[in-house]
Amino acid sequence: EDKVVQSPLSLVVHEGDTVTLNCSYEVTNFRSLLWYKQEKKAPTFLFMLTSSGIEKKSGRLSSILDKKELFSILNITATQTGDSAVYLCAGRFNTDKLIFGTGTRLQVFP
Amino acid sequence: DADVTQTPRNRITKTGKRIMLECSQTKGHDRMYWYRQDPGLGLRLIYYSFDVKDINKGEISDGYSVSRQAQAKFSLSLESAIPNQTALYFCATSDPVGNYGYTFGSGTRLTVV
Repeated sequence: EDKVVQSPLSLVVHEGDTVTLNCSYEVTNFRSLLWYKQEKKAPTFLFMLTSSGIEKKSGRLSSILDKKELFSILNITATQTGDSAVYLCAGRFNTDKLIFGTGTRLQVFP
Repeated sequence: DADVTQTPRNRITKTGKRIMLECSQTKGHDRMYWYRQDPGLGLRLIYYSFDVKDINKGEISDGYSVSRQAQAKFSLSLESAIPNQTALYFCATSDPVGNYGYTFGSGTRLTVV
């Protein structure tokens, strides 16, 4: 059965801390892994990873995929209160369907 | 205007009622999806459509139906709503090559009482 598992379920940190969010997957006919940030309602796209070992970066956020270990991490450095959100990981398989993990809720306090 | 627009934003309905959630997109994409989100369960795929003549069931399609009226419009119906269909519903679209992930609508919060 295809599945995506995220850990931890929730995380509370102070501004300036660095956090690492984890995502493991078992997806048949895997094509890529995606990260989203969900604040109030709609998830917004962060990264798509298709190749092992190549880091994607956007400002203080970065992500990397390990296709051998079926694992991805999302790093956020120097966290800010605006980083507070639920971070979703999703595996893309077959044609274009996504299977989502349950998310990691990150709370950043001043 | 938003790329993906869902209506209504919030809805309360009674058990047994038929309800339709609407979605329209201005991205010009052929691929559209309906997901529901429940606390602790993440987003789960209800139906998806890769073009106007293509409709496919997702992992949790029972109790739902869809209609793809045009490339830009994809509606979700609950034929006879039940309380465990209370959830946050998202419509999404994706580009053909899939380089940019999904674009989601703002969601419809549905409560069935």
